[in-house]
Formats: sequence, structure tokens, C-alpha cells
Amino acid sequence: DAGVIQSPRHEVTEMGQEVTLRCKPISGHDYLFWYRQTMMRGLELLIYFNNNVPIDDSGMPEDRFSAKMPNASFSTLKIQPSEPRDSAVYFCASSYPSGSSYNEQFFGPGTRLTVL
Amino acid sequence: RKEVEQDPGPFNVPEGATVAFNCTYSNSASQSFFWYRQDCRKEPKLLMSVYSSGNEDGRFTAQLNRASQYISLLIRDSKLSDSATYLCVVTGRMDSNYQLIWGAGTKLIIKP
Repeated sequence: DAGVIQSPRHEVTEMGQEVTLRCKPISGHDYLFWYRQTMMRGLELLIYFNNNVPIDDSGMPEDRFSAKMPNASFSTLKIQPSEPRDSAVYFCASSYPSGSSYNEQFFGPGTRLTVL
Repeated sequence: RKEVEQDPGPFNVPEGATVAFNCTYSNSASQSFFWYRQDCRKEPKLLMSVYSSGNEDGRFTAQLNRASQYISLLIRDSKLSDSATYLCVVTGRMDSNYQLIWGAGTKLIIKP
């Protein structure tokens, strides 16, 4: 397996533009997580899905952020409109279930977003 | 108080030394614990899970202290390649939802 795939790897955009980040989880994994990492705030869980259904989106910072998972092999995180404070590395991760607790998460290489 | 806290470091340690750092958590109902390693400008990768009885993987030992609510990571005979940021993850239930909380990470620098 190629691991978790994210695109684009780098994105530079101007304030106010729409940004769409993409993720393909590892085949067979039914949990998918979106994270944001900055120097100031560290790694923050934004939202996670189980079997394509959003389970907890309490980490999504505001209505400008939305995430979808139309099928088991694809998810998007959209920011509209983007702001400079959204600049960060966005990671997608996937895992398989393990009883009642989380199992190892496999991370993609991340998308480095810069909003000018 | 943060839900999961780590000493940010950096810990500057000579090669071959032993180094240990802790991760404290506030939710006594936390269930699972993990240590991840993140190299500069890379994604986090699982280093080891932390079991109640403690566990060892080569030069790495992880321990859980539920009474004091912390986990620890011990690295023996440190190598230059151990230089990285070490993140702890704590999972468990809060109300009716599962929580998954990451520490901010401890930066480790191994010097020759």
C-alpha cells in the first residue's frame, strides 16, 4: 500500500480564496482524521470520520472550515474563505478499529498551506 | 491546566546518554496512551503504545502511572538518529464522546 496520500503537498493562496485539501486513506482503514499543526498550537484534531460518517467535528475552528468523506477512499477539507491565520500544515491520518480504543494512526505527508 | 502536557524542551543530550521525559494528562478516565515521533518537517509516526504494565522495545521503555496520571518515555544509549520531537497521545471518554488529545511535543537533540 502507498500509505495515506495527500494533495497538494504545498499550497500558496491569497486571503479570501477557497482552498481544498485532499486525502486518500489506507485501504481497509475506516477511521479518517484531519489535523492542523502550527508552532503556536501544536497538533490539533479538527474532525474525524468513521465509515465515512463525521463523528466529532468539535475541533473545526469555525464555519469557514468544512470536511466531507463521500466514500471510503476519499476525503476533502475545504476552507472558504481562507485567512492568513489558517496558514499551517494540515495532516490527514487513517486507522483501523481496535475494540473500544483507537489504534495506531498512519499519517499522510501533510499539506503545507500558506495564505498571504 | 491543559488536558495533556509535555515539557517542550529542547532536551540537549550527549550521544550514548539516557534521557527520559513525561506526559501528564488530566482526564482520569483516559484509556489508551501512545508515543509518536515526529522528525522535522515530517509527519508523526507511532513509536510505541503504552501498556498498563509498561513495555519495552529495544532501547525504548514506556510506562504508565495511572495514580499520578502521567506516562513516560525512557531512551537508553541515545543515538544521533533519536533527535526528533516526541508527542504523546491520550485517548478516552469525555461525556458521551471519545477524546483524542495530543501533547505539544518534547524536542530532543542528541549531540555527538
